[in-house]
Amino acid sequence: ETGVTQSPTHLIKTRGQQVTLRCSSQSGHNTVSWYQQALGQGPQFIFQYYREEENGRGNFPPRFSGLQFPNYSSELNVNALELDDSALYLCASSLFPATSGGASETQYFGPGTRLLVL
Amino acid sequence: GQQLNQSPQSMFIQEGEDVSMNCTSSSIFNTWLWYKQEPGEGPVLLIALYKAGELTSNGRLTAQFGITRKDSFLNISASIPSDVGIYFCAGPNAGGTSYGKLTFGQGTILTVHP
Repeated sequence: ETGVTQSPTHLIKTRGQQVTLRCSSQSGHNTVSWYQQALGQGPQFIFQYYREEENGRGNFPPRFSGLQFPNYSSELNVNALELDDSALYLCASSLFPATSGGASETQYFGPGTRLLVL
Repeated sequence: GQQLNQSPQSMFIQEGEDVSMNCTSSSIFNTWLWYKQEPGEGPVLLIALYKAGELTSNGRLTAQFGITRKDSFLNISASIPSDVGIYFCAGPNAGGTSYGKLTFGQGTILTVHP
């Protein structure tokens, strides 16, 4: 187990609603990244948070937003849900900068939140 | 943007056989990561590679960081039923607006018949 936890495990919403997903990073990690994984695809990068600020962003619209808290946990918020937002949402934590023996890019994933939009 | 091409897309093998899969990119990566994902779970890191030419093992798994820094290989020896899952290669962006982004390959689906 990585120590990265996510809640809830499953969620059903209807189109147009808003959703908040939560992530607790692995102990000792200070950076959280969020990914969307559609069925049969590899994870797609949404954004990364470091020092409570967005540190990098993928090709996702502004209705995908996030927060990072002083304890390094994070939230992903999605407004105006669309059917195509149905996916597994993964949170990954990492340490930046890296300590000896590893790179800061090495990310450890949580179990994910399965979101279904009807 | 960066793309990783992973092959094969799927493999059906008998227990005890060895498995090889690879990942190629048109761009250079400074780190290569290999993950395994089982149904309903998040990807689990198997091996991380940080230097060109590096060969690293984790039990029956061995991965290599290609010398050109544009490819990587993962081998599984003496496969067992619990090796079933989807194997992903991934590489991080070094900077720019997508800092922190891991680009993933399409995955290799491994099925092991007892």
